[in-house]
Amino acid sequence: DAKTTQPPSMDCAEGRAANLPCNHSTISGNEYVYWYRQIHSQGPQYIIHGLKNNETNEMASLIITEDRKSSTLILPHATLRDTAVYYCIVRDSGNTGKLIFGQGTTLQVKP
Amino acid sequence: ETGVTQTPRHLVMGMTNKKSLKCEQHLGHNAMYWYKQSAKKPLELMFVYNFKEQTENNSVPSRFSPECPNSSHLFLHLHTLQPEDSALYLCASSQEGSYSYNEQFFGPGTRLTVL
Repeated sequence: DAKTTQPPSMDCAEGRAANLPCNHSTISGNEYVYWYRQIHSQGPQYIIHGLKNNETNEMASLIITEDRKSSTLILPHATLRDTAVYYCIVRDSGNTGKLIFGQGTTLQVKP
Repeated sequence: ETGVTQTPRHLVMGMTNKKSLKCEQHLGHNAMYWYKQSAKKPLELMFVYNFKEQTENNSVPSRFSPECPNSSHLFLHLHTLQPEDSALYLCASSQEGSYSYNEQFFGPGTRLTVL
């Protein structure tokens, strides 16, 4: 599975959009981009995933560049409860079960 | 509430004790996982079970022994642990297959302290 690179930490003002970047320059054609988050001392929570098209759900939007070498997770109106570690993971659709977590980005939403 | 439960939530044990962690998923999934999260380290995948068969063992020491009696239950048997095994142990499940999103649902974890 391709490796991802994320900034270690970011701040965001409450009510503003939080844009979390992820680089995955070695991604291959059949690898998906997944995003999870982990609120302090809880289990990780799935947010969204995509292959090459932009995706949106009730939690967030995922923007994947045309060359698929990077992506951005967007939380449109961040709240204090969105403070968490956000993980960008690239995973082969055929690689059953394996999620390789990196250090992620610690997002601090401030009032 | 993710549909994955873990017991106990907290466990303190001595190095000579034997204990077991339990995970149960109520989602009808066919795959279950154990992860370990040490302080200030990323989650590490320990074991993967698919249709009750172990498909992954990430060089985990033998003092950790998994058991998957059916697709809804997963155990992690612990014996002769070391203080460095103190960590948050997380269980997850997913539905693996051609038409699934492979989204993993995590339990709340068991906070283990080895004295």
